[in-house]
Amino acid sequence: IAGITQAPTSQILAAGRRMTLRCTQDMRHNAMYWYRQDLGLGLRLIHYSNTAGTTGKGEVPDGYSVSRANTDDFPLTLASAVPSQTSVYFCASKPRASTGELFFGEGSRLTVL
Amino acid sequence: GESVGLHLPTLSVQEGDNSIINCAYSNSASDYFIWYKQESGKGPQFIIDIRSNMDKRQGQRVTVLLNKTVKHLSLQIAATQPGDSAVYFCAEKGGRANAGKSTFGDGTTLTVKP
Repeated sequence: IAGITQAPTSQILAAGRRMTLRCTQDMRHNAMYWYRQDLGLGLRLIHYSNTAGTTGKGEVPDGYSVSRANTDDFPLTLASAVPSQTSVYFCASKPRASTGELFFGEGSRLTVL
Repeated sequence: GESVGLHLPTLSVQEGDNSIINCAYSNSASDYFIWYKQESGKGPQFIIDIRSNMDKRQGQRVTVLLNKTVKHLSLQIAATQPGDSAVYFCAEKGGRANAGKSTFGDGTTLTVKP
């Protein structure tokens, strides 16, 4: 089934540990995004990539890094996790950055203790 | 900075009634708006979109209205069903200058009572 796959679905992590959230899409979309969603709030953009080989900072990039080595994969790394990074993380993509709706994965629930 | 806000965080309606969810935005350069539906434990899903050169667009049981004068859009759901219970987000894309990034509102939780 075409779409976006995120892994892990859920993770509990000790503060200070490094963590990579994986995101893979098989729709050949150029643009990919990472959002975090906190209770009672909308989605806030962490990082984005308009095309393979390029990345950009979103609204809340601090403490996170991304890479876009190819079209399909867009991993999000927390170098040293802190409790404030406890959240649900959504990866999304769309065919082009300029227009169109976002296609979302099912989310990765991360708890940092 | 840009912001997108929903007027009410929660809305409760009776099954069969019409629902109206409102959203205000601040960026007058926004050229594209989307409504998403998020069911519990899932990622948001596209419902309907509208471009800034339109003031109304209809889908299946849903209608989006855009008032650029007051920077307001609304989502109308006709004959609301229990399956419509979810969180609804409006999002705006701030034009080329914003690299195509979307800004989301905080969401309205719609509860449909049987």
